[in-house]
Amino acid sequence: QSALTQPPSASGSPGQSVTISCTGTSSDVGGYNYVSWYQQHPGKAPKLMIYEVSKRPSGVPDRFSGSKSGNTASLTVSGLQAEDEADYYCSSYAGSNNFDVVFGGGTKLTVL
Amino acid sequence: QVQLVESGGGVVQPGGSLRLSCAASGFTFSSYGMHWVRQAPGKGLEWVAFIRYDGSNKYYADSVKGRFTISRDNSKNTLYLQMNSLRAEDTAVYYCAKEYCGGDCYPYYFDYWGQGTLVTVSS
Repeated sequence: QSALTQPPSASGSPGQSVTISCTGTSSDVGGYNYVSWYQQHPGKAPKLMIYEVSKRPSGVPDRFSGSKSGNTASLTVSGLQAEDEADYYCSSYAGSNNFDVVFGGGTKLTVL
Repeated sequence: QVQLVESGGGVVQPGGSLRLSCAASGFTFSSYGMHWVRQAPGKGLEWVAFIRYDGSNKYYADSVKGRFTISRDNSKNTLYLQMNSLRAEDTAVYYCAKEYCGGDCYPYYFDYWGQGTLVTVSS
């Protein structure tokens, strides 16, 4: 069982927006602004899409945005494109006493 | 360009040992912290271990503490994961990943990943 809770699936039509939630606790998501999101296509390695809740690494389209409220973080994909269909994982630092990083169980995003 | 290539995976019996390697190129390996992250078949991601750029500090997930050892050889641009007392639940694709540095370095994020090496623990 994953430490962070994500919906198993989400979907949207091309051009629409979709939001994926990631719920943790005050010991991880709620306690730190060290939330990140990863995109993983089948058979491929994950790719960093969002870090520090809402920042995008160089090269990530601004269609991807992140936010956080309390113990829940969210990833929003605007202007959905076919290539956005993938698994998305949230992650958070959780190391109050020791270094620790936890992940969500992943959300399969389908572009209809 | 950054490349991370894992090797050393395979089939091992419960209680056995295996050592994974990750060959790095395209960046100054000795300047970056490195991670191992695993993914069981059809499951989500699980952080396994982290080592600072100079090997001075090492951290482990509770699920592998005392059984796995992360290490690095900066002269060979290579990261290692020694896995002992393997269990069926250790079966997974193991990825090495580089910590993200965009100005500052953040050990909680992973910006480059290898393609992974499969470890299967089965009798």
